[in-house]
Amino acid sequence: QVQLVESGGGVVQPGRSLRLSCAASGISFSSYAMHWVRQAPGKGLEWVAGISYDGSNKYYADSVKGRLTISRDNSKNTMYLEMNRLRAEDTAVYYCARVWEGLGLDYWGQGTLVTVSS
Amino acid sequence: QTVVTQEPSLTVSPGGTVTLTCASNTGAVTGGYYPNWFQQKPGQAPRALIYSTTNKHSWTPARFSGSLLGGKAALTLSGVQPEDEAEYYCLLYYGGAQPWVFGGGTKLTVL
Repeated sequence: QVQLVESGGGVVQPGRSLRLSCAASGISFSSYAMHWVRQAPGKGLEWVAGISYDGSNKYYADSVKGRLTISRDNSKNTMYLEMNRLRAEDTAVYYCARVWEGLGLDYWGQGTLVTVSS
Repeated sequence: QTVVTQEPSLTVSPGGTVTLTCASNTGAVTGGYYPNWFQQKPGQAPRALIYSTTNKHSWTPARFSGSLLGGKAALTLSGVQPEDEAEYYCLLYYGGAQPWVFGGGTKLTVL
């Protein structure tokens, strides 16, 4: 069955960096675009970033542009989110999700919590 | 700045029907926005229900349906069950450099 497993979250000080991973299994990972979505505590969902199936196209929310970088390694069936110059407002659960039929999100991971605090 | 608006909260009786909507501050929502709908229960990851306005995933219960209604995307639940109590989010596609925007969510109470 399809599984997306996020990892790499934790507590980090403001201004520091963190790298999240999303490991996929049960799918032909290299055939699908992927996204990152986050949810601050008690808040709604926020789309963060997306990457095409081959990594040639990347998209970012204005709130993270220049600080977060999405990438993927299709040989490892894994997507990444490099997070730099972290701010308190980046505190959230980060989910990865697969893009289905080009313009829908179907499978989601269980999320990884990032807490930015001194 | 693009804003997607949903009803903050709705209440429905078990067995009843309720429609949630999703509006864009850029104008009428059409099929070109490829509306997606998601259900999220406390402590759980979101679960996809609808994509591209009306299409259901293989796991989506038949009582959920998507449509366009009065310039908005809509999610209708018919024959509501107690387990449908959850937060529901829509997602619209705008293309360009920042292609996707979520709505603020609707908290559905089954009472």
